[in-house]
Amino acid sequence: EVQLVESGGGLVQPGGSLRLSCAASGFTFSSYWMSWVRQAPGKGLEWVANIKQDGSEKYYVDSVKGRFTISRDNAKNSLYLQMNSLRAEDTAVYYCARTGITMVQGVIYGAWFDPWGQGTLVTVSS
Amino acid sequence: DIQMTQSPSSVSASVGDRVTITCRASQGISSWLAWYQQKPGKAPKLLIYAASSLQSGVPSRFSGSGSGTDFTLTISSLQPEDFATYYCQQANSFPLITFGQGTRLEIK
Repeated sequence: EVQLVESGGGLVQPGGSLRLSCAASGFTFSSYWMSWVRQAPGKGLEWVANIKQDGSEKYYVDSVKGRFTISRDNAKNSLYLQMNSLRAEDTAVYYCARTGITMVQGVIYGAWFDPWGQGTLVTVSS
Repeated sequence: DIQMTQSPSSVSASVGDRVTITCRASQGISSWLAWYQQKPGKAPKLLIYAASSLQSGVPSRFSGSGSGTDFTLTISSLQPEDFATYYCQQANSFPLITFGQGTRLEIK
C-alpha cells in the first residue's frame, strides 16, 4: 500500500523554526517528484514546494522563498521541509504528496498530487 | 501567475442530483488540470487528472471535461458520500502549481 506519513508539526513562536518529515512507503520513492501543500485553518489548499527525484531541482511559492527549504533522502525514503523565520500566516496543516507528472518530448506539463499524507499541524503563535 | 477561479463557491444539492462545478484559468492551461475531493479533517483525494482522466478507484459518476481556460467537474448522480469540498488545480506552469479556492457541496 502506498503511504505517506508526516511528522514534526507543533506549536512554535513567531520567528522560530520547525522541521517537518514525511516517511514514504509502498512505492519507489526515488522515482517521483515530491511536494508539500498546506491548508490554513478553514481555508483552501496552497502549494508550498516541490523537489525533483534526485533533489537537483527545488521550487517554492513566493511567500516562503528564503525561509523554507525542501529536501529529501532517497536512502531513507523521506521528504523534509525545514521552516525558518516562521510567521503567524504559516499556521496550517502541512501535507506531503507524491507528485505525478506528464512529460511531452522531455518537457513537464501536467502534475497532480496522489496520494497525500494525513497532514501535520503547524501553529505559529506567541 | 496563473489564477484559478471556481464557481460556485458553494452549492446545495440532493442525493441523486446531477451537479456541475466550473473552474476557469486566467490563461490557457491546455488540459493540465486536476480535481480533488476533500472531506472535513481528511487529506484531499485525487479524482481527475489531465482534465478528463479518471483516477483509478474513483467511481464513474465523476467526470471531467474542458481545455484551455474552462473546465468542469460533473457528478452524474450524487451519493451521500459525495458531500465534500472540491478543488481544481493547474500545473501548466509546473513546477509552479495553483489551486482554485474550492467549492463546498452541501446537502439540500
